[in-house]
Amino acid sequence: EVKLVESGGGLVQPGGSLRLSCAASGFIFSDWWINWIRQAPGKGLEWVANINQDGNIQGYMDSVRGRFIISRDNAKNSLYLQMNSLRAEDSAVYYCVGGPHAGDWGRGTLVTVSS
Amino acid sequence: QAVVTQEPSLTVSPGGTVTLTCGSSTGPVISGHYPYWFQQKPGQVPTTLIYNTNNKHSWTPARFSGSLLGGKAALTLSGAQPEDEADYYCLLHYGSPWVFGGGTKLTVL
Repeated sequence: EVKLVESGGGLVQPGGSLRLSCAASGFIFSDWWINWIRQAPGKGLEWVANINQDGNIQGYMDSVRGRFIISRDNAKNSLYLQMNSLRAEDSAVYYCVGGPHAGDWGRGTLVTVSS
Repeated sequence: QAVVTQEPSLTVSPGGTVTLTCGSSTGPVISGHYPYWFQQKPGQVPTTLIYNTNNKHSWTPARFSGSLLGGKAALTLSGAQPEDEADYYCLLHYGSPWVFGGGTKLTVL
């Protein structure tokens, strides 16, 4: 059974940092691109970033490029998102989405940016 | 960044057929945009229904199908069921980034 479990969310002040993690199991993690997708309360889905199998190609949405860094550790079957200079508009549930053809979603971790 | 457009809301009768569409501000949607479709029911995590235009996951009900139609990506639901009432999102690949549409709220009534 494919499982993606996010962690690391919480309350942070504007300008602060958080590091999200996603632990994967049930599939060959190193075979697939993997994504972070977020959803603000009551809003639609928003693609944030992704990373290729080897970790040497990353993509970012415009508003997070230069502030967020996506990385992975295939030995640990883990995905990360280092989020710096956080803004109120970054508040959302962050989902790890991957596996074959982006078919698998974690349950998400809530990030709240507020003073 | 490209803008992906979807109908804000649609209504279908139980047993009926409805087509949701997904357009791109950059021009026609093509197979190279690798269109994805996701379903999100209230209070639930989204699920991936369709990938690469028309490919289904093992859990995707047979009544859902994906295609390219009139320069847009399309999700057709044939024989709507009450449990299909949900928000549906399309996603297009532009190399990098990927971009979601704003979602379509589908009512089965």
